[in-house]
Amino acid sequence: DVVMTQSPLSLPVTLGQPASISCRSSQSLVYSDGNTYLNWFQQRPGQSPRRLIYRVSNRDFGVPDRFSGSGSGTDFTLKISRVEAEDVGVYYCMQGAHWPPWTFGQGTKVEIK
Amino acid sequence: QVQLVESGGGVVQPGRSLRLSCAASGFTFTDYGMHWIRQAPGKGLEWVAVIWFDGSNKNYADSVKGRFTISRDNSKNTVYLQMNSLRAEDTAVYYCARFYNYDSSRTPDFWGQGTLVTVSS
Repeated sequence: DVVMTQSPLSLPVTLGQPASISCRSSQSLVYSDGNTYLNWFQQRPGQSPRRLIYRVSNRDFGVPDRFSGSGSGTDFTLKISRVEAEDVGVYYCMQGAHWPPWTFGQGTKVEIK
Repeated sequence: QVQLVESGGGVVQPGRSLRLSCAASGFTFTDYGMHWIRQAPGKGLEWVAVIWFDGSNKNYADSVKGRFTISRDNSKNTVYLQMNSLRAEDTAVYYCARFYNYDSSRTPDFWGQGTLVTVSS
């Protein structure tokens, strides 16, 4: 199974400041079709997860452009350019290149300082 | 609008069974496969099971293989998770989530609100 490792696990940030979350996979996430299947999900307190980013860097409909994804192979990053109060929650990376199973990172808790 | 509504959760004793349901609306159900994904209290996300749009393929996490069964009724736009021989470690919020048939990664793009299963004597 592919192991997904996120860092940091806790991220206190100041409103309006940038934030960055790292995700590393134990195997390359390049699929046989040439695409890289790394996704990011946001889980706000008390809510179900919501997909933010798919295939490394593509934002889902309605996701603010302050969220961006980057990376390749086994190393990926989610960046928030200027953190807002509504961004508080837990962020998970998830791989879709080697399934089953689909595997998630441990989660990174973003909170306001 | 797109909706996935889980039901069937509750408190159950170890060794007993429970069936979860997930009712879909607001989209063409047969354009999508479905996952069940769970989250133990205060913990992260764990994939549980998947079923293709037509039920032709099913896969399970090793932790539930042989105990859980995923199925779907396309005439009712509903997916099910039959959970047998429940253990304390199955205690979690269970989410259903859809994935588009033509997405090679089968990544869930929309999740329900979840239903809580508590296994306790």
